Amino acid sequence: GENVEQHPSTLSVQEGDSAVIKCTYSDSASNYFPWYKQELGKRPQLIIDIRSNVGEKKDQRIAVTLNKTAKHFSLHITETQPEDSAVYFCAAPFAGGTSYGKLTFGQGTILTVHP
Amino acid sequence: SAVISQKPSRDICQRGTSLTIQCQVDSQVTMMFWYRQQPGQSLTLIATANQGSEATYESGFVIDKFPISRPNLTFSTLTVSNMSPEDSSIYLCSVNTPSGRNTGELFFGEGSRLTVL
Repeated sequence: GENVEQHPSTLSVQEGDSAVIKCTYSDSASNYFPWYKQELGKRPQLIIDIRSNVGEKKDQRIAVTLNKTAKHFSLHITETQPEDSAVYFCAAPFAGGTSYGKLTFGQGTILTVHP
Repeated sequence: SAVISQKPSRDICQRGTSLTIQCQVDSQVTMMFWYRQQPGQSLTLIATANQGSEATYESGFVIDKFPISRPNLTFSTLTVSNMSPEDSSIYLCSVNTPSGRNTGELFFGEGSRLTVL
């Protein structure tokens, strides 16, 4: 099945700095890569996703890059703010799966933004 | 988006007992997904619930331990049977096709936090 590895497990930055979280995946057929943010005690929520036909996608301060050859994708957050503090999960569809509801999640990154 | 309601939001259970978690969605969906999030851990898919057929379980999860019902297109239940402390987790219901649209986004319920003593 799909194997998703996420690094780092914790990330501490100063407000205004950038944060980068990286994930690797194992199934070269995977074609959809979402990122979820989970605030303390809350449900996970999608913040950005990318499909395999593009290499980069941006949404305001958040961007995701994809390297299909190397089988890794990264989340970039610029001008970090304290409200960005949360756990971030990358994910990829189950190997050979056609349902985007069946996801393998990375281990998570605890991002702390210090004021 | 989708509004997903789960009950109970939290519970404290005794070892050996069973608990049923309910999930109600505000629109009809073909598939509903049950995930588990152990304390401080990532999310792991337990099973996919389809209306009118048996649920499909992922590796490491079996129907006897996690029976699932899906009586209609807006509702599902997950039962955690014969609980042990290792079952202490947050159980999350999710859907990805609210109102028939599939953008890929998974919408999660608030979760049911179970603590087994």
